[in-house]
Amino acid sequence: AQSVTQLGSHVSVSEGALVLLRCNYSSSVPPYLFWYVQYPNQGLQLLLKYTTGATLVKGINGFEAEFKKSETSFHLTTPSAHMSDAAEYFCAVSEVGNKLVFGAGTILRVKS
Amino acid sequence: DAGVIQSPRHEVTEMGQEVTLRCKPISGHNSLFWYRQTMMRGLELLIYFNNNVPIDDSGMPEDRFSAKMPNASFSTLKIQPSEPRDSAVYFCASSFLGQGVDTQYFGPGTRLTVL
Repeated sequence: AQSVTQLGSHVSVSEGALVLLRCNYSSSVPPYLFWYVQYPNQGLQLLLKYTTGATLVKGINGFEAEFKKSETSFHLTTPSAHMSDAAEYFCAVSEVGNKLVFGAGTILRVKS
Repeated sequence: DAGVIQSPRHEVTEMGQEVTLRCKPISGHNSLFWYRQTMMRGLELLIYFNNNVPIDDSGMPEDRFSAKMPNASFSTLKIQPSEPRDSAVYFCASSFLGQGVDTQYFGPGTRLTVL
């Protein structure tokens, strides 16, 4: 069965600093991978997804992620953190039938 | 598009009462998912439907929980009787299941508090 591990339940960066949120997955089939963001008291919103093709995926709000099959990773980055990026981020891998398996989430704190 | 619509947004009830959560998926989507989010257990898939048919309900915690999708534009999640440990945020999401895997779009959630 598919699974997702997000390293670090909390990440704290200074405004303007690089953000790196780690995600490793296990999958018995070629994976489809997703990053979602959840702002306080809101639902999850898609940041980006990898299905096939280019392994570097660009999403909204300046975020991007790179699919590395050899490392079974799909880490999320943005070069310069903004205060508005403070939220919880979830990595997910697809299963058969459109099901998603989510990681435990990483809370990003941005310090001014 | 209005997105996925959930009601109510907040529900406070007493232990033993019946609770019904409602969801209207995005028009044209044929898959619907119910999730529960808690601090302790994170985001859990409870049940999902394809073309109004329940496909996998293995995440439903016990018989007190039931879900229906009578048509393509409406689904309910019912808890009867409710217990304090059911307190959580419940999300509904929808997507289009065609070729490949499409994005799930989430509603704003229903925050349930059982006293």
